[in-house]
Amino acid sequence: DIQMTQSPSSLSASAGDRVTITCRASQGISKGLSWYQQKPGQAPSLLIYAAFNLQSGVPSRFSGSGSGTDFTLTISSLQPEDVATYYCLQDYTTPWTFGQGTKLEIK
Amino acid sequence: QVQLVQSGAEVKKPGASVKVSCKVSGYTLIELSMHWVRQVPGKGLEWVGGFDPEDGQPIYAQTFQGRVTMTEDTSTDTVYMELSSLRSEDTAVYYCARDRMGDGMDVWGQGTTVTVSS
Repeated sequence: DIQMTQSPSSLSASAGDRVTITCRASQGISKGLSWYQQKPGQAPSLLIYAAFNLQSGVPSRFSGSGSGTDFTLTISSLQPEDVATYYCLQDYTTPWTFGQGTKLEIK
Repeated sequence: QVQLVQSGAEVKKPGASVKVSCKVSGYTLIELSMHWVRQVPGKGLEWVGGFDPEDGQPIYAQTFQGRVTMTEDTSTDTVYMELSSLRSEDTAVYYCARDRMGDGMDVWGQGTTVTVSS
């Protein structure tokens, strides 16, 4: 199975900061990676698919990059409503595997 | 617009089985690839399994092999996930989600809480 290593596990930043979360796959997954945001008590929601494609309706401050084994989710200017836990998911091959999650807080 | 509505919370005893449903509206099931994800309280997301869009057959995570069965009823546009031999560690929220054939899971059910307790 492909292992996804996500970092950091938690992050505290100020409003307006640029925030970066990374995911590393244990083997190459081309662009088969998506990013999800989960707020407390809610189902996850799709932010980015196929490594860098922004899901419709998601603010443009979110962006994704990478291919192969190394991927990044960037929030260009952190907003209070971005407080959530973020997960990467490799959907390149079954079994799909999630990263461990990054809990993002506002200072 | 696709909506997924899941069945209500369940409380089961260890060793029992649970069957969670996910009703699709806005699309017919035959056009979709559906997956299941679970979240143990306070923990991360875990892929349970999904339907292979190539042949429509279910594929399961190794963790659940032999205990999970995913089925579809195209007459009612409902997918089901049944988990057997339940143990306390299976206490979790179970989500169904639509996969856009490699372009992410863009629509999610509201989640079904399954509690396993004696």
